[in-house]
Amino acid sequence: DTGVSQDPRHKITKRGQNVTFRCDPISEHNRLYWYRQTLGQGPEFLTYFQNEAQLEKSRLLSDRFSAERPKGSFSTLEIQRTEQGDSAMYLCASSSKSRRLSYEQYFGPGTRLTVT
Amino acid sequence: DQQVKQNSPSLSVQEGRISILNCDYTNSMFDYFLWYKKYPAEGPTFLISISSIKDKNEDGRFTVFLNKSAKHLSLHIVPSQPGDSAVYFCAASPGTISSGSARQLTFGSGTQLTVLP
Repeated sequence: DTGVSQDPRHKITKRGQNVTFRCDPISEHNRLYWYRQTLGQGPEFLTYFQNEAQLEKSRLLSDRFSAERPKGSFSTLEIQRTEQGDSAMYLCASSSKSRRLSYEQYFGPGTRLTVT
Repeated sequence: DQQVKQNSPSLSVQEGRISILNCDYTNSMFDYFLWYKKYPAEGPTFLISISSIKDKNEDGRFTVFLNKSAKHLSLHIVPSQPGDSAVYFCAASPGTISSGSARQLTFGSGTQLTVLP
């Protein structure tokens, strides 16, 4: 078990560019989450996948954001036409298919995005 | 409207003493509560959790207490160690509606714990 991994760890981009982040969850976990964290705040929920199905999206997820999990394994989060307000840490988490254990989410190290 | 609140942004404790971190919530639908620890430039690390059917859960030096009527929970660390210095987040999850429910976590804003040697 190597834990949740995210790539890249840091991304600097110019306003208006598109960026894509990748998340590899813990292998036996079927639930995958994306969160965003800004300075001084706790993580905020963006979206949730169960296997390959995207089942919930937060109102924070504007039309410029899209997430996929094509084969129910890794996931990608794309931000189109980035804005300076998108600068944040983007965190991925996964949890077990076990009903009892599904509450416990395990986080990756995050991707820090800076939009200049 | 913050549904999970950690009113103390920071806490300093002497090594060996008890650290008590507090958390309040407003949403009665929350059914499961978790504490995470976060070091700079890392993702949150799961520490301990508690279901709403319990009022206490213990794991080594960490104990979480839940007072449902007051919508309050606390994390006790005894004894505190310098390596415990980090930001601690309280998080809450709604109860299950169906097997497909997201159970997304709602986090507080965190408390920076500093354990002084």
